[in-house]
Amino acid sequence: QAQLQQSGPGLVKASETLSLTCTVSGVSLRSYYWSWFRQSPGKGLEWIGYVYYSGSANYNPSLKSRVSISIDTSKSQFSLKLNSVTAADTAMYYCSRDRGNWGSDYWGQGTTVIVSA
Amino acid sequence: QSVLTQPPSASGTPGQRVTISCSGSSSNMGIYTVNWYQQLPGTAPKLLIYSDNQRPSGVPARFSGSKSGTSASLAISGLQSEDEGDYYCSAWEDSLDGPVFGGGTKLTVL
Repeated sequence: QAQLQQSGPGLVKASETLSLTCTVSGVSLRSYYWSWFRQSPGKGLEWIGYVYYSGSANYNPSLKSRVSISIDTSKSQFSLKLNSVTAADTAMYYCSRDRGNWGSDYWGQGTTVIVSA
Repeated sequence: QSVLTQPPSASGTPGQRVTISCSGSSSNMGIYTVNWYQQLPGTAPKLLIYSDNQRPSGVPARFSGSKSGTSASLAISGLQSEDEGDYYCSAWEDSLDGPVFGGGTKLTVL
């Protein structure tokens, strides 16, 4: 049974960098995609991007210029960095184990990130 | 504007059967399978159905999914009050090489 534990600040100043980490336990990071999603207040889910256990990553084109997702298999962690944040980046952020076409079967608890002026 | 289209709301009384529809296009649901997520208030999404009609371990059999072409449906039979929440369909999108979602359907148990 996998568990994903998110950590990182819930308040980020505008123009700065949002950084979140997802620590995985109970399963190996190998052979899966590891994704980040966000959900703006009252809105639906948006895929931010994923990193494969090998380190290769793919991002949503709408965020590609500002986002970076990395993985540290030795620590069983993967991380999200989103730079130059604005109020539009205020959202609940989730990490997940992503099986690609078969969906995300394990999710983190979510982190509310508020971008302040 | 979400890539996949769902009705914004659905409702039913306890014990009833309700269905939620989802429509996509040739670049997502036309070539990839559909997944459904349940998001109860204040919680993370939970995978409810994957690969059009497969239930992960622990998901009750009263949840079922189907797909035909670029349209899919989630059916919930024997509706219970604890089913109240938001339901999202999702499919892999060829142009993104990543998942896209419907806007979500808010299910109310009357």
